Amino acid sequence: QKEVEQNSGPLSVPEGAIASLNCTYSDRGSQSFFWYRQYSGKSPELIMSIYSNGDKEDGRFTAQLNKASQYVSLLIRDSQPSDSATYLCAVYGNKLVFGAGTILRVKS
Amino acid sequence: DTAVSQTPKYLVTQMGNDKSIKCEQNLGHDTMYWYKQDSKKFLKIMFSYNNKELIINETVPNRFSPKSPDKAHLNLHINSLELGDSAVYFCASSRWGRSSYEQYFGPGTRLTVT
Repeated sequence: QKEVEQNSGPLSVPEGAIASLNCTYSDRGSQSFFWYRQYSGKSPELIMSIYSNGDKEDGRFTAQLNKASQYVSLLIRDSQPSDSATYLCAVYGNKLVFGAGTILRVKS
Repeated sequence: DTAVSQTPKYLVTQMGNDKSIKCEQNLGHDTMYWYKQDSKKFLKIMFSYNNKELIINETVPNRFSPKSPDKAHLNLHINSLELGDSAVYFCASSRWGRSSYEQYFGPGTRLTVT
């Protein structure tokens, strides 16, 4: 079992829709959870961090954490073509472990 | 005012050569990391240094040797390069402690071994 699992996609959504990205992790002792966005040929860029159960909102982004289900998600509201990228879920237990990423395509 | 910088951006070399990648951060962080992103885009940690001290050393061939002259710099030296070393190498930095493990990445170094 992979430590951090994501659906590789691609996830295609129309412009203006909500994109929902999901991630599960195996280490129950994990403390911190992150979403990174990576454009093709660029470095990962931190867009959200979440440390406790529930929702955390920042602009068009909402991160959701459920430690009991070992599940993290990222919602992107009013998706824009500029949101098209690979989204990496990262989980910190004693080191930062990345999922393989979900490719998001927003079609105008 | 680049936060995390790496040099060089591209590195093309032949098998058997030795090469180095340099990383510097001006964020005032005391922890730095090296990651490898392979052709399948999977990002995996290689090393972590906190205040010049090695704290994470993943299962990496000993041809890879990190060096941290001070907490703002972390270099990676690779001996006897192999074809499988071709990848993008990212440096990252963060604060140390429970309050934050947010890591910020440099632009990456694309290493191609021929």
